[in-house]
Amino acid sequence: AQKVTQAQTEISVVEKEDVTLDCVYETRDTTYYLFWYKQPPSGELVFLIRRNSFDEQNEISGRYSWNFQKSTSSFNFTITASQVVDSAVYFCALSEAENYGQNFVFGPGTRLSVLP
Amino acid sequence: DTEVTQTPKHLVMGMTNKKSLKCEQHMGHRAMYWYKQKAKKPPELMFVYSYEKLSINESVPSRFSPECPNSSLLNLHLHALQPEDSALYLCASSQEGPGYNEQFFGPGTRLTVL
Repeated sequence: AQKVTQAQTEISVVEKEDVTLDCVYETRDTTYYLFWYKQPPSGELVFLIRRNSFDEQNEISGRYSWNFQKSTSSFNFTITASQVVDSAVYFCALSEAENYGQNFVFGPGTRLSVLP
Repeated sequence: DTEVTQTPKHLVMGMTNKKSLKCEQHMGHRAMYWYKQKAKKPPELMFVYSYEKLSINESVPSRFSPECPNSSLLNLHLHALQPEDSALYLCASSQEGPGYNEQFFGPGTRLTVL
């Protein structure tokens, strides 16, 4: 069965610090999709990125960057120069193509607090 | 318009009540989802509708009954709920079927069962 692990339950940083959120996944499928979502205190989940298993290119979007490494089954998320507005719970998620999404699974989440 | 709306925002109901949660999207998405999220836990998938047909039911108790009247609307009918069903109920939609497309979430309905 697929599994997503986010070992960091809570992280606190001071504004302008860089922070990396770890995500490790397990799957037997060769085709799968990885996602990151942000859930601010308001509760609405916000989509951040999708990556398929054949695309190992790292991606940068403003202060956000993602490092996908199949060799270590990791899909880590880095926020550069963190801001208070980045405070939220961040979820990594995995979906296996062969099961046609029947196993869309979220990791347990990492609560990030950015202090002013 | 990249928005998923949900009503009501908050709902308090007794165990004998019947109520419904509503979700609407106008992005032309063909898949819609219901999730349940308990405090400090990740969302748990309940139901998936793909092209207006129920494609996934994650062993959800029958006191939760989903309905998809058309491709833009998704309802969740509630009956004889238990206090442990109190949670945030999230609706989401995606362009095609579940899995490879990113899902867009609504703000959720916070349900309290007394």
